[in-house]
Amino acid sequence: EIVLTQSPGTLSLSPGERATLSCRASQSVSSSYLAWYQQKPGQAPRLLIYGASSRATGIPDRFSGSGSGTDFTLTISRLEPEDFAVYYCQQYGSSPPGTFGQGTKVEIK
Amino acid sequence: EVQLVQSGAEVKKPGESLKISCKGSGYSFTSYWIGWVRQMPGKGLEWMGIIYPGDSDTRYSPSFQGQVTISADKSISTAYLQWSSLKASDTAMYYCARTSSGYPVDVWGKGTTVTVSS
Repeated sequence: EIVLTQSPGTLSLSPGERATLSCRASQSVSSSYLAWYQQKPGQAPRLLIYGASSRATGIPDRFSGSGSGTDFTLTISRLEPEDFAVYYCQQYGSSPPGTFGQGTKVEIK
Repeated sequence: EVQLVQSGAEVKKPGESLKISCKGSGYSFTSYWIGWVRQMPGKGLEWMGIIYPGDSDTRYSPSFQGQVTISADKSISTAYLQWSSLKASDTAMYYCARTSSGYPVDVWGKGTTVTVSS
């Protein structure tokens, strides 16, 4: 089973700043089957990025994903007030269900 | 509109049984996997297991094997998660989620809160 480790655990930033979140896999993630989700309190997660770098439908272009192999990054170019939330990476491969990282909380500084 | 509609919140006592549901609509229910994800209070997301309603192929994460049962009734486009004997540690939010091979979760249910307390 592939283990995903996200860092940092918490990121304290101000609106307008840039956020960089990391997701490292214990072994190579095939075909960049890596997704990012956003979860706000009291809500289900929402898909942001799939295939490591493709934005899901309706996701603003301030969200971008990059990386391959074992190292992946989610970047939020300029934080909006609604972006303060918890972010999870997930590797989904060709055989469901895949695994989630433990999450990174982006909080207001 | 594609959606997954989950059953309502449950409050149970330790040792009781429970079955919660997730009804899919707006798509071919038998063509996608439906998975169950646990989120304990203040914690992260954990895959419990997954079922392909088309042929009932079911897979469990090692931590949940033998602890829960996942099933589906394709005639009514509904997946289920059940416990035979609940524990206090089963208190959590449970989400159902749609996925397919080589694709991420693209549709989530709103979640079912399960509270187990004496």
